[in-house]
Amino acid sequence: DAKTTQPTSMDCAEGRAANLPCNHSTISGNEYVYWYRQIHSQGPQYIIHGLKNNETNEMASLIITEDRKSSTLILPHATLRDTAVYYCIVRVLNFGNEKLTFGTGTRLTIIP
Amino acid sequence: NAGVTQTPKFRVLKTGQSMTLLCAQDMNHEYMYWYRQDPGMGLRLIHYSVGEGTTAKGEVPDGYNVSRLKKQNFLLGLESAAPSQTSVYFCASSLTSSGLYGYTFGSGTRLTVV
Repeated sequence: DAKTTQPTSMDCAEGRAANLPCNHSTISGNEYVYWYRQIHSQGPQYIIHGLKNNETNEMASLIITEDRKSSTLILPHATLRDTAVYYCIVRVLNFGNEKLTFGTGTRLTIIP
Repeated sequence: NAGVTQTPKFRVLKTGQSMTLLCAQDMNHEYMYWYRQDPGMGLRLIHYSVGEGTTAKGEVPDGYNVSRLKKQNFLLGLESAAPSQTSVYFCASSLTSSGLYGYTFGSGTRLTVV
């Protein structure tokens, strides 16, 4: 699975859009980009994933660049409950590749 | 719908003691996983199961054993606990082998070995 690079920490004002970047310059054509978050001491929570196209769900939007070397997770109206560590993960989807590798992620703090 | 339930939530063991962590899911997921998370680090896969009666080693399997006798349960055993196994343990399950629809995690078991 390709390596990802994320900023260690970020702040965002409550009510504003939080934009979390992720670099994955060695991504291959069959690797998906996943985002999870972990709110203090809880189990990680799945947010969204995508392959090529931008994706949106009730939690967030995922913007993947055309060359797929980077992506941005967007939380449109951040609330205090969005304070968490956010993990960007790149992996191939195939039987036998069960390892979901979590790096150290980005610690997002929402400021009141 | 409880999702993934882990028991116990907290435990303190003495070196050499044994214990079993239980993970139960009610989503009819085929695939289940055990991870550990150490301070300041990401999650590391210990063992996983691709269906009832099957188990496989992950990234850090030494010192642990697992069993999947029933589809809904995945047990993680420590036969002789060591201080290096002090960690937070997370169980997860997924509908498909690829985790295409995401993994559902439990709330964790905080284990301290003294």
